[in-house]
Amino acid sequence: KQEVTQIPAALSVPEGENLVLNCSFTDSAIYNLQWFRQDPGKGLTSLLLIQSSQREQTSGRLNASLDKSSGRSTLYIAASQPGDSATYLCAVRGLDTGRRALTFGSGTRLQVQP
Amino acid sequence: NAGVTQTPKFRVLKTGQSMTLLCAQDMNHEYMYWYRQDPGMGLRLIHYSVGEGTTAKGEVPDGYNVSRLKKQNFLLGLESAAPSQTSVYFCASGKPGSSYEQYFGPGTRLTVT
Repeated sequence: KQEVTQIPAALSVPEGENLVLNCSFTDSAIYNLQWFRQDPGKGLTSLLLIQSSQREQTSGRLNASLDKSSGRSTLYIAASQPGDSATYLCAVRGLDTGRRALTFGSGTRLQVQP
Repeated sequence: NAGVTQTPKFRVLKTGQSMTLLCAQDMNHEYMYWYRQDPGMGLRLIHYSVGEGTTAKGEVPDGYNVSRLKKQNFLLGLESAAPSQTSVYFCASGKPGSSYEQYFGPGTRLTVT
């Protein structure tokens, strides 16, 4: 059974810092991996999706990497801003062609201090 | 284009009561999913559907039933609510393709007393 772990569970940084969020998964047989942002009381917003054949994806100040063989992904946020404060969720999509559902980590709660 | 919508947004039930959560999507997606999110945990898959008229169990299906009579709607039912079903419920939809990316609704916060 796939298990996804995110470290740290919570992180507080001053504005302007570069930071890295970590995600690890136990079964390397994945289809792809997604990073989501969740604001309090809100739904999930997709940030980046990395296919299993890719090593990284970039969007603005965000860069996500994937090392499938070691079961790890990182989300790098450059020049953090207070508006980046949210919970960041990592999720992997399995190879099960019947459902293509996501297995989620429990998230990293990020607070960026002004 | 509203994307994925969920009704209701909030609900309080007493133990033993029943209710139905409605998920609707206007993107003509084949796949639809129901997840639950509990404090300090990631989302867990309850049930899913790969097309109109089909449903299947996910990781935590006990105590829930689902129906997909129309392609755009996916209903989640609780026949006899229990306090353990207090959670935030998210619906998602997606289409077969290169990424199977899912799009999420805003969630329904359910409290069972």
